[in-house]
Amino acid sequence: EVQLVESGGGLVQPGGSLRLSCAASGFSVSDNYMTWVRQTPGKGLEWVSLIYSAGSAYYADSVKGRFTISRDNSENTLNLQINSLRAEDTAVYHCARGGILAVMGGYYFDFWGQGTLVTVSS
Amino acid sequence: SFGLTQPPSVSVSPGQTATITCSGDKLGHKYASWYQQKPGQSPVLVIYEDNKRPSGIPERFSGSNSGNTPTLTISGTQAMDEADYYCQAWDRNTVVFGGGTKLTVL
Repeated sequence: EVQLVESGGGLVQPGGSLRLSCAASGFSVSDNYMTWVRQTPGKGLEWVSLIYSAGSAYYADSVKGRFTISRDNSENTLNLQINSLRAEDTAVYHCARGGILAVMGGYYFDFWGQGTLVTVSS
Repeated sequence: SFGLTQPPSVSVSPGQTATITCSGDKLGHKYASWYQQKPGQSPVLVIYEDNKRPSGIPERFSGSNSGNTPTLTISGTQAMDEADYYCQAWDRNTVVFGGGTKLTVL
């Protein structure tokens, strides 16, 4: 059974850092493209970062230079290092697994974790 | 990159058909996926590659992409379908979500 469990969220002051983790089971994170998506309470989904199975990583403009996505294949986890936090980064952060890519451009996410809440406040 | 626009809300009576569209000025033909999110829960994939339904998703959920406008259709809408729905597409290593549509089953 595929499961994704996020951890690492919490209350942090502006300018601070956190490391979010997403523990995967039922599949290998290295075999799939994976993503982080955040959601401000009461608002919509916002894409944050994407990592392909080959290892290349991409970021939304709003987090570029501050966030770093990575994988720990030995622990089967997806990570997100978030630095220089701002109030507008306050959100629930979800990790999600990429589905089977059958057509060019047909990227989608078939399993999602419950999310971990990051609150940036002084 | 590009943006995806959805109607903020759609209302439907039980048993009727709900239609949610997703538009974007630079959408072109990009494959769309749709996610259902109920309060306090994480998103659930209901349609991918425009019109494919994951296992376990009821047949009343269908998707189409005509004229570069992805559309989610829920036939015979049930009360349990009341939720927020998001479209999503990918372009040049960027993932984009629509703003979401709140489906109300009256």
